[in-house]
Amino acid sequence: IAGITQAPTSQILAAGRRMTLRCTQDMRHNAMYWYRQDLGLGLRLIHYSNTAGTTGKGEVPDGYSVSRANTDDFPLTLASAVPSQTSVYFCASSVSGRDTQYFGPGTRLTVL
Amino acid sequence: LAKTTQPISMDSYEGQEVNITCSHNNIATNDYITWYQQFPSQGPRFIIQGYKTKVTNEVASLFIPADRKSSTLSLPRVSLSDTAVYYCLVGDSSGSARQLTFGSGTQLTVLP
Repeated sequence: IAGITQAPTSQILAAGRRMTLRCTQDMRHNAMYWYRQDLGLGLRLIHYSNTAGTTGKGEVPDGYSVSRANTDDFPLTLASAVPSQTSVYFCASSVSGRDTQYFGPGTRLTVL
Repeated sequence: LAKTTQPISMDSYEGQEVNITCSHNNIATNDYITWYQQFPSQGPRFIIQGYKTKVTNEVASLFIPADRKSSTLSLPRVSLSDTAVYYCLVGDSSGSARQLTFGSGTQLTVLP
């Protein structure tokens, strides 16, 4: 079944550790996104990629980095996790920047 | 970035029509308006998208006045399963993922 997958489903991480959240889509979508969702704050865009080989900063990029080596994968890395990065992280993709976004199931990350 | 404002919550009864309004006073000429639905522990799901006037699909209608500074999502004859958070998203139609803003979301609770 075509779609978008994220791994891990959930993770508890010690502060200061490095962590990479994985996102893979098989719909050959050009654009991909990472959001974080915190209670009462809705979804906030962290980073995005319009096409393979390009990335850009969203609303809350500090403390996060991304890469887009190919069309299918868009990993999100926390170089040195802090407790304020405790959140639910959603990856999404779309054909282009203005098209319908398809979201993954999310990764629940807890930084202690 | 076009900021969006929505009511925090709404209650309705089964079988009623529900209208959720989103304000986006700074919407740009190239921006589209998109609505998403999110159930607990799931990623958001696309409902409807429009640019102006009225758009209707099998699940909802979207009304956009001439000045485009607001939009109203209309859900006909809601059921208990429509209980969810509804997000208004204003996006750039140029194809770039850069200018994307989710509203804070409206928690719709449908009562029996």
